[in-house]
Amino acid sequence: GESVGLHLPTLSVQEGDNSIINCAYSNSASDYFIWYKQESGKGPQFIIDIRSNMDKRQGQRVTVLLNKTVKHLSLQIAATQPGDSAVYFCAENPSGTYKYIFGTGTRLKVLA
Amino acid sequence: ETGVTQTPRHLVMGMTNKKSLKCEQHLGHNAMYWYKQSAKKPLELMFVYNFKEQTENNSVPSRFSPECPNSSHLFLHLHTLQPEDSALYLCASSQESGTGNNEQFFGPGTRLTVL
Repeated sequence: GESVGLHLPTLSVQEGDNSIINCAYSNSASDYFIWYKQESGKGPQFIIDIRSNMDKRQGQRVTVLLNKTVKHLSLQIAATQPGDSAVYFCAENPSGTYKYIFGTGTRLKVLA
Repeated sequence: ETGVTQTPRHLVMGMTNKKSLKCEQHLGHNAMYWYKQSAKKPLELMFVYNFKEQTENNSVPSRFSPECPNSSHLFLHLHTLQPEDSALYLCASSQESGTGNNEQFFGPGTRLTVL
């Protein structure tokens, strides 16, 4: 069946280091992907998105990489800060549908 | 703030109670969604409304009843819930839902506890 999963449930990173959060997706028809950040007590917040005609997209301190060959998505956070501590999850949107398939999430802990 | 508000933020109810969750979006979007978020599970889509019309009911039990009086407001009416219905209920909106590739903006959620 369709699934979006994350390789690591918890990631601990030293403040100032770079973080990499990974996501595997199974639906090869997905052509749009989003990374969300969810802080405790809040709803998911859009971080960055990427369409399947791209393999890399950069934002402010964040980069998303898409490898369609192995159906893999990653989120890179540069110079991780304490405010980056949250749960991060990816979502895929199969082409021609309005449904999003969400991953379970990875908790990022930033160590001072 | 994402432009999507939800009330109440926390709700505790008994299995015989009737309550309603409210969502309002101030973004001028035409599509609204209800999701259920349980611990250690991915977000589960419950209902989708596009231009006030329900376009998706993802096999949700009838004890959950959505209502969308206009494109800005969405309700989730609850009755005779079960303890396993305890979860974070998230509302989201997007420009429209017909073709996908539309960023969804989420509200803060209502933390529901069913005793």
